[in-house]
Amino acid sequence: AQTVTQSQPEMSVQEAETVTLSCTYDTSESDYYLFWYKQPPSRQMILVIRQEAYKQQNATENRFSVNFQKAAKSFSLKISDSQLGDAAMYFCAYRTQGGSEKLVFGKGTKLTVNP
Amino acid sequence: NAGVMQNPRHLVRRRGQEARLRCSPMKGHSHVYWYRQLPEEGLKFMVYLQKENIIDESGMPKERFSAEFPKEGPSILRIQQVVRGDSAAYFCASSVTSGDWNTIYFGEGSWLTVV
Repeated sequence: AQTVTQSQPEMSVQEAETVTLSCTYDTSESDYYLFWYKQPPSRQMILVIRQEAYKQQNATENRFSVNFQKAAKSFSLKISDSQLGDAAMYFCAYRTQGGSEKLVFGKGTKLTVNP
Repeated sequence: NAGVMQNPRHLVRRRGQEARLRCSPMKGHSHVYWYRQLPEEGLKFMVYLQKENIIDESGMPKERFSAEFPKEGPSILRIQQVVRGDSAAYFCASSVTSGDWNTIYFGEGSWLTVV
């Protein structure tokens, strides 16, 4: 079974600075998808960014980018120019390609943004 | 276009009562997923349904829990004879179809408290 590990329960960053959240996963599959979701205090799950495992190029969405290291099974999230609205729980998630649509989530990292 | 709608947002039940959580997927979506989030944990997959069919229920507890997605009306997650350990946030998600890169949209969650 696939597992996702987020080793940083909490992180903090100064406004306008850059922060990197770590995620590692374990799988025997070669094709899969990886996601970062944000859960603000409103508790809604918001998709931040996604990556296909077969793509070597790292995904980027505005201030959010990933560092995908397939061999190391690592998928970190970098937030540049951090804003107060970025404060939230961030969850890394894994999804198998095809078959069941389920997502496997890590336990999350709580990000605090200091003004 | 309304998002995934869940109700009730908050539900309090006494031990032994039944809890029913409803989920209306986004318009045009025929795939529904239920996830549970325990305190300080990530989301855990429970069940994946299409209209009138359960596709994957590998995350559902074997007893007391059931889910349905009828031809008409919302998806229902039913928990019979609730116990304190059922206290959690229950998230519903939907997608327009299955397969690679379909985007899964989450609702805002239903918070169940068992007293």
